[in-house]
Order: sequence, then C-alpha cells, then structure tokens
Amino acid sequence: NTKITQSPRYLILGRANKSLECEQHLGHNAMYWYKQSAEKPPELMFLYNLKQLIRNETVPSRFIPECPDSSKLLLHISAVDPEDSAVYFCASSHRVSGNTLYFGEGSRLIVV
Amino acid sequence: QQQVRQSPQSLTVWEGETAILNCSYEDSTFNYFPWYQQFPGEGPALLISISSVSDKKEDGRFTIFFNKREKKLSLHITDSQPGDSATYFCAARLASSSFSKLVFGQGTSLSVVP
Repeated sequence: NTKITQSPRYLILGRANKSLECEQHLGHNAMYWYKQSAEKPPELMFLYNLKQLIRNETVPSRFIPECPDSSKLLLHISAVDPEDSAVYFCASSHRVSGNTLYFGEGSRLIVV
Repeated sequence: QQQVRQSPQSLTVWEGETAILNCSYEDSTFNYFPWYQQFPGEGPALLISISSVSDKKEDGRFTIFFNKREKKLSLHITDSQPGDSATYFCAARLASSSFSKLVFGQGTSLSVVP
C-alpha cells in the first residue's frame, strides 16, 4: 500500500526521543494512530479529523501526536519504555464516521 | 462490554479445503463487522465486511455468515490457497459512535499447506 507511507519503517531506540511520520495520498479527512504489540490486535491510540484531535485513548503522555495538515500525521515519542516496543500503524478513512480504514505498512519500534 | 472474540487462535488447512474462522461479540450495538487480512510485515487490509442488517455477504472465495441473534459470525474461505496464509482479524464498529472506532478481535492465524 503506497497510498499511506510511514517512516521510518524500523526504529531501535534506547531512552531517546524520536518521531514517526505518516502521509496519506487518499484525500481522507480522518487519520489514526494504532499500536500493535506482538501477537495482539491493533489498538487505537489517537484519531484526528480535519487536523483536529478528537480521540485520545488514554495513551501515556510520552506519546504526543501532531497533525500539521490533513494529509500528514506525526507521533512524537519521548523517553521510550520497553512496553512501547510494537508496530505503530497510521490509518485513514474518508470521513471520521467512515467504515473503512486504510492502514499504512507500519513503523516497528524496538526499545532496547 | 466491547469485546470481540475469535477462534481458533490458529488454523491449518490443506490447499483446496474450506477454512472457517469464527467470531463472536457481546455488545448488541455493534452494527458493522469488517474482516481484515494481515500479512507479516504489512498493515491490515480490509478483506470483506457485513452490516448487521444482512445475514450473508459473499465476495469470490470469501463469505461471511452472520447470526445476529446469537451474536456470532464466521468467515468461510473456500478453495483455500497458500497465498491466503495470513492473520485474519474480525472487527466490530459501534453504532452509537460518531467516529469510526473499531474493536478488533485477537486474530486467527491461518496456514494453508500446499
């Protein structure tokens, strides 16, 4: 799926700060961050609609999302914890009430 | 409760057989049920979906059977192919939510043996 691009694809961190980036080329209004831990289903972290944060699923404060424009989404991570090791997926939908989510290929974060 | 359960956790079938993946839920306000297919190293991709007003949805070799009374659904993959080997997530959308929050099941890992 090249319509939602994420970078970096792989990331190995100690207790450092880093940002994940996502860009969707689908013209969608809603963008999401999901976290998928090993052998688990994706879990919603944040939801933006037209650049406005409308859902924060009780995510630790070391995760800070940013939506600089309606096609881009960032996830700033500070002082990562080993429990943060996971794949972080960006997703989008045409409207915030849309049924179909389109996922990017994910950014795999490994905390050492 | 907003829970979606899937069984079995893993499934192995021979090429050409029909794979049956099960899903159940508890919240009667769920009204839309997509199935996502995920290959290793990739994001989930929508495979097929059904709304709660239907009892069957077919798309090629993939069919969803939905039993609203029992709060159960199943995904049937006929003539399974090695390329179908992936993890399949059943998900459910809340009817009352103004945004598209999907609740995912734990997934079924399918292996199709040639």
